[in-house]
Amino acid sequence: EPEVTQTPSHQVTQMGQEVILRCVPISNHLYFYWYRQILGQKVEFLVSFYNNEISEKSEIFDDQFSVERPDGSNFTLKIRSTKLEDSAMYFCASSDKPLAANTEAFFGQGTRLTVV
Amino acid sequence: AQSVTQLDSHVSVSEGTPVLLRCNYSSSYSPSLFWYVQHPNKGLQLLLKYTSAATLVKGINGFEAEFKKSETSFHLTKPSAHMSDAAEYFCVVASGTYKYIFGTGTRLKVLA
Repeated sequence: EPEVTQTPSHQVTQMGQEVILRCVPISNHLYFYWYRQILGQKVEFLVSFYNNEISEKSEIFDDQFSVERPDGSNFTLKIRSTKLEDSAMYFCASSDKPLAANTEAFFGQGTRLTVV
Repeated sequence: AQSVTQLDSHVSVSEGTPVLLRCNYSSSYSPSLFWYVQHPNKGLQLLLKYTSAATLVKGINGFEAEFKKSETSFHLTKPSAHMSDAAEYFCVVASGTYKYIFGTGTRLKVLA
């Protein structure tokens, strides 16, 4: 069964460093997403991406964040200068259609980012 | 704006007894509702989704949910809990075209 793959599963980084979280969405999907879950809190939407541009982003997704689809298979989330409060589980997801009209998004297993 | 409220942060049941995980939604139009499950160290997996074709929705692993518009609820049930059901469950609503809104999650504990 096709699945969304995220690497690494766990990343530890020093405050102020740049990190890139990587995702390989399901191959025929066109819509891509990043969510995050700070420990003990709810899963929060960060950004959605379609046709090589951001289609929607949350207020969390500020100038420190960027997304890219550098090739036909990868989808990345970059945090330019990490802060302690960026520590969270980051989930990548993809779907073949927009999420309205009951479309299922497929999620990866997550990358746990720890900023020290 | 769409939102979901999960009424219980933790639920404990004995193996073999029924499971009820509660979710209420708020939506200005017919909502797209989902239940996802997260097992430890695993990704989020779809359990079931409301399609408006039927108010009682059957999902994987014996779970089902009933959409009740009059009560704005979409509660998740299972007749008989199994140890492998221990996980965190999220009620989710699609908000607009490009994002999901998650509930705060319910951690289900199954006692032997």
